[in-house]
Amino acid sequence: EAGVTQFPSHSVIEKGQTVTLRCDPISGHDNLYWYRRVMGKEIKFLLHFVKESKQDESGMPNNRFLAERTGGTYSTLKVQPAELEDSGVYFCASSQGRGPYQETQYFGPGTRLLVL
Amino acid sequence: EDQVTQSPEALRLQEGESSSLNCSYTVSGLRGLFWYRQDPGKGPEFLFTLYSAGEEKEKERLKATLTKKESFLHITAPKPEDSATYLCAVYRSSGNTPLVFGKGTRLSVIA
Repeated sequence: EAGVTQFPSHSVIEKGQTVTLRCDPISGHDNLYWYRRVMGKEIKFLLHFVKESKQDESGMPNNRFLAERTGGTYSTLKVQPAELEDSGVYFCASSQGRGPYQETQYFGPGTRLLVL
Repeated sequence: EDQVTQSPEALRLQEGESSSLNCSYTVSGLRGLFWYRQDPGKGPEFLFTLYSAGEEKEKERLKATLTKKESFLHITAPKPEDSATYLCAVYRSSGNTPLVFGKGTRLSVIA
């Protein structure tokens, strides 16, 4: 079974540009999460989808970040315009979430974003 | 506010030298506690989930335990391939909620 995949693995952009990150969850997983780790800090939650609906956006830093999940499958996270403080590693995770003890979140390899 | 604190920040062990990593937490209505392993340049890899105080889980040289305030990850006779960052994360009683992570413990095992 394929794990969570993310694209690109790395991205280097200039301040003010736009970047779009993509996540493909494990097939059949209804729950999809985005997290971010900035240098020296812990991994922090950004948002949570259940199928195509946004369940929780409380971690999104500001309106420069836009997330979508088309048809309840893959998800994209767009940063527009990018700022220096957006640099970090963006992780996607998915969980089956169809009952007790099916809440384990499996993580992708991350996208390393550097804004210059 | 939910909080997870891991200690030590870094740990250096000789091969075969057993030790424990600590994860203390404050969360309203703990539903579960996860341990993950993260290698450089990779995403967190799931190790264990613990749901209730007194529960223990084992995998190879690793054993995770849970109390009402903290969890321990015991490493018995570690090998160099156990070198990684170990992350602890908690989530609340409603389940399928965001994980709250600690900063991790960087473990180095020297041959």
